Amino acid sequence: EVQLVESGGGLVQPGGSLRLSCAASGFTVSSNYMSWVRQAPGKGLQWVSVIYSGGSTYYADSVKGRFTISRDNSKNTLYLQMNSLRAEDTAVYYCARALGDYLYYFDYWGQGTLVTVSS
Amino acid sequence: QSALTQPASVSGSPGQSITISCTGTSSDVGGYNYVSWYQQHPGKAPKLMIYDVSNRPSGVSNRFSGSKSGNTASLTISGLQAEDEADYYCNSYTSSSTPVVFGGGTKLTVL
Repeated sequence: EVQLVESGGGLVQPGGSLRLSCAASGFTVSSNYMSWVRQAPGKGLQWVSVIYSGGSTYYADSVKGRFTISRDNSKNTLYLQMNSLRAEDTAVYYCARALGDYLYYFDYWGQGTLVTVSS
Repeated sequence: QSALTQPASVSGSPGQSITISCTGTSSDVGGYNYVSWYQQHPGKAPKLMIYDVSNRPSGVSNRFSGSKSGNTASLTISGLQAEDEADYYCNSYTSSSTPVVFGGGTKLTVL
């Protein structure tokens, strides 16, 4: 059974950093395309980043230069390093497997982890 | 502001059919057959319902169907059931610098 379990969320001050983890089971992270998608409280979904099986990474303009997606193949885990956090980064962050010719849709999702950026 | 436009809410009675629209531009919905739809119940992760405009993943009821005309994609739910009450989101590939965009979401109420 495929399972994605996020962790690492919490309360952080503006300008601070946080690293989210997404532990996968039932499939191999490094052989797939993996993304982070976030959802601000009471708002819609927003794509954040993707890492290709080959290691290439891409980011939404809103997080480019501040967030870094990576993975640890030995731990079958996906990460999102978030620096210079802003209030508008407050959201539930989901990891998901990306599919499709342009990796635009997502079939497996984690349960999400809440990041709150506030002083 | 979401890149794809969805109605904020729709409603229907059990057994009826409803359609949720998702309007974009020629740079996203209109330019590619890469539209997907998600169902999200409160406090839960989104669930993939439709991909590539009209394909259903294994296990998704055939009461859910997708289509597209021009810059507008649509999700139709037939034979509405109480458990269909949820938020629904569309998304698409886009040729902009951020390659994946979502709609703002539509709250479906089953009366």
